[in-house]
Amino acid sequence: AQSVTQLDSQVPVFEEAPVELRCNYSSSVSVYLFWYVQYPNQGLQLLLKYLSGSTLVESINGFEAEFNKSQTSFHLRKPSVHISDTAEYFCAVSEDSSYKLIFGSGTRLLVRP
Amino acid sequence: DAGVIQSPRHEVTEMGQEVTLRCKPISGHDYLFWYRQTMMRGLELLIYFNNNVPIDDSGMPEDRFSAKMPNASFSTLKIQPSEPRDSAVYFCASNVGGELFFGEGSRLTVL
Repeated sequence: AQSVTQLDSQVPVFEEAPVELRCNYSSSVSVYLFWYVQYPNQGLQLLLKYLSGSTLVESINGFEAEFNKSQTSFHLRKPSVHISDTAEYFCAVSEDSSYKLIFGSGTRLLVRP
Repeated sequence: DAGVIQSPRHEVTEMGQEVTLRCKPISGHDYLFWYRQTMMRGLELLIYFNNNVPIDDSGMPEDRFSAKMPNASFSTLKIQPSEPRDSAVYFCASNVGGELFFGEGSRLTVL
């Protein structure tokens, strides 16, 4: 059965510093991988996704993630964070085209001035 | 498009009462999902539909929970009778082309 592990429950970082949020998955088949962001009292919004092709995917607001099949990882990175990036970030995996997502437990990114 | 619409946004009820949560997916999306979010268990998939047909309800916690999708533009999640441990935020989501669109959630508190 597929599963997702987000090793860090909270990541504090200073504004303009780089950040990496870790995600590892377990699956016996090919997967689709996603990062979602949740701001307080809101639903989840897609940040970026890997479906096929280039293993490095980017979002419009400067985040990127790299699919590493050998390490079964899909870590999220940003070279310089802003206060507005403070939110909860969820990694998710799907094994088929229904895009039924299994989510990790989430990582709270706290950006300090 | 207005996005996925859920109602009510907040519901406070007493143990034993029936609760009905509603969802209107984005037009043209053929999959609809119900998730539950709690601090203890995170985001759990409860059930999902494809073209209005339930495909996998293995995440529904108990027989007290039921979900229906009578047409492509409406789904309900019902809890009867409700219990305090059902308190959570319930999200509905629909998808197309590899992106799941979430509603803003229904926050349920069972006293």
